[in-house]
Amino acid sequence: AQKITQTQPGMFVQEKEAVTLDCTYDTSDPSYGLFWYKQPSSGEMIFLIYQGSYDQQNATEGRYSLNFQKARKSANLVISASQLGDSAMYFCAMRAIQGAQKLVFGQGTRLTINP
Amino acid sequence: NAGVTQTPKFQVLKTGQSMTLQCAQDMNHEYMSWYRQDPGMGLRLIHYSVGAGITDQGEVPNGYNVSRSTTEDFPLRLLSAAPSQTSVYFCASSFGQNYYNEQFFGPGTRLTVL
Repeated sequence: AQKITQTQPGMFVQEKEAVTLDCTYDTSDPSYGLFWYKQPSSGEMIFLIYQGSYDQQNATEGRYSLNFQKARKSANLVISASQLGDSAMYFCAMRAIQGAQKLVFGQGTRLTINP
Repeated sequence: NAGVTQTPKFQVLKTGQSMTLQCAQDMNHEYMSWYRQDPGMGLRLIHYSVGAGITDQGEVPNGYNVSRSTTEDFPLRLLSAAPSQTSVYFCASSFGQNYYNEQFFGPGTRLTVL
C-alpha cells in the first residue's frame, strides 16, 4: 500500500522568501510517480510538478522545483521567490505502478505568504 | 477544450434523497475517477474507470454507484444521501492509468446533506 505524509499542517513565509514543503512517501513499488497539486481558496486542484521514480534529475517548473531524495523517500516541493498568490493548500500525491489507478494524497500543507 | 467539467457546483440534499453528480471530459481520456475531500484532509478515491464499460471501487465506495457508458461521461450516483456524505467531490481524468499519467481535475461539487 502507498502512503503519503505531509508533516506541516501550516506554514507562514514572508513574501519573496523561498519555502520548502515537506513530503515523505512509503511504497514497496520500484516504479512510481510523485505529484504536487495546489488548491487555492477557490477550491480547484492545480497540477504543479511531477517527479518519476526513475528520473535522474530533480524536476523543475518555473519557480517550482522538487527536491527528490529517493533513498530517504522524500519529495519536497521548493517554491522560490514566494508571491502572495502562492497562499494556498498544497498536496503531495503518489501513483505507483501496482496501484496505478489510485492517486494517493497526503493531508496537505496550508501555506500563507505574508506581505 | 473544456477539460473536465462537473455539474452542479453546489447541491443541498435531505437525508435519504438520491442524486447524480455529473462529470464529463473532452480530452479522450481512458481513465476517470471520483474523489471526495473532507475538511482538513486530502482527497480519497471513491470509484474509478479505466475505460467505457469498466469500473471499480476505490478507497471509500460505500453509498455511491458509478457507470461508464461512454468515454466522455462518468456520473456518480448517491443512492440514499447521508450527512456523512457532506463533502466536496472532484472528478478527474488521465490519458491512461500509468503511474506517470497526470490527472486533470474538475472544479468540484460542494455537497451538503442535511
